[in-house]
Amino acid sequence: NAGVTQTPKFRVLKTGQSMTLLCAQDMNHEYMYWYRQDPGMGLRLIHYSVGEGTTAKGEVPDGYNVSRLKKQNFLLGLESAAPSQTSVYFCASSYDSSGNTIYFGEGSWLTVV
Amino acid sequence: RKEVEQDPGPFNVPEGATVAFNCTYSNSASQSFFWYRQDCRKEPKLLMSVYSSGNEDGRFTAQLNRASQYISLLIRDSKLSDSATYLCVVTLYNQGGKLIFGQGTELSVKP
Repeated sequence: NAGVTQTPKFRVLKTGQSMTLLCAQDMNHEYMYWYRQDPGMGLRLIHYSVGEGTTAKGEVPDGYNVSRLKKQNFLLGLESAAPSQTSVYFCASSYDSSGNTIYFGEGSWLTVV
Repeated sequence: RKEVEQDPGPFNVPEGATVAFNCTYSNSASQSFFWYRQDCRKEPKLLMSVYSSGNEDGRFTAQLNRASQYISLLIRDSKLSDSATYLCVVTLYNQGGKLIFGQGTELSVKP
């Protein structure tokens, strides 16, 4: 019973490199989210999706792209990584929009040098 | 102004103490309210939902005041295992269920 799985868990990138974070959920959830968390701050929403094939911008979308080609997967891409994107990234999925049914992945630690 | 603001931390309390966290939110269209707990280097986990009538779960009591746009969490008889960061969270009506987080308040319970 995997729930929400994020890969990779840790990554070090050089400035300008690109990478993709994968979020996979096995609960048939419609809603999926990507957040970032920086020291001393709560989570901030980057992008989210309310269903397969749909994506929308959150609070801090600049520098990131996303895709939801399959219902179970939500990919977060960094086309040209910058040191300001050093952060912990959390993916989440939800059955509905109530806020009561959200499950988080364990986080992905990204360092851009 | 941040959409969700919490008391600055950290709170350092002895075991057995009662501690209260406060949170305010700016958007009157906020629909649902929660307290999450986050341990160091872990994902946030739902502690409890917050209802207008107030609700209790063991040593934890949550209150919501919609008129003042204020949420609180009271922890009685603090345990060492309560040490964590507590996040105040709201959702907005018809916004895809996305959670809006406060910056969190760190609690450290000492022996």
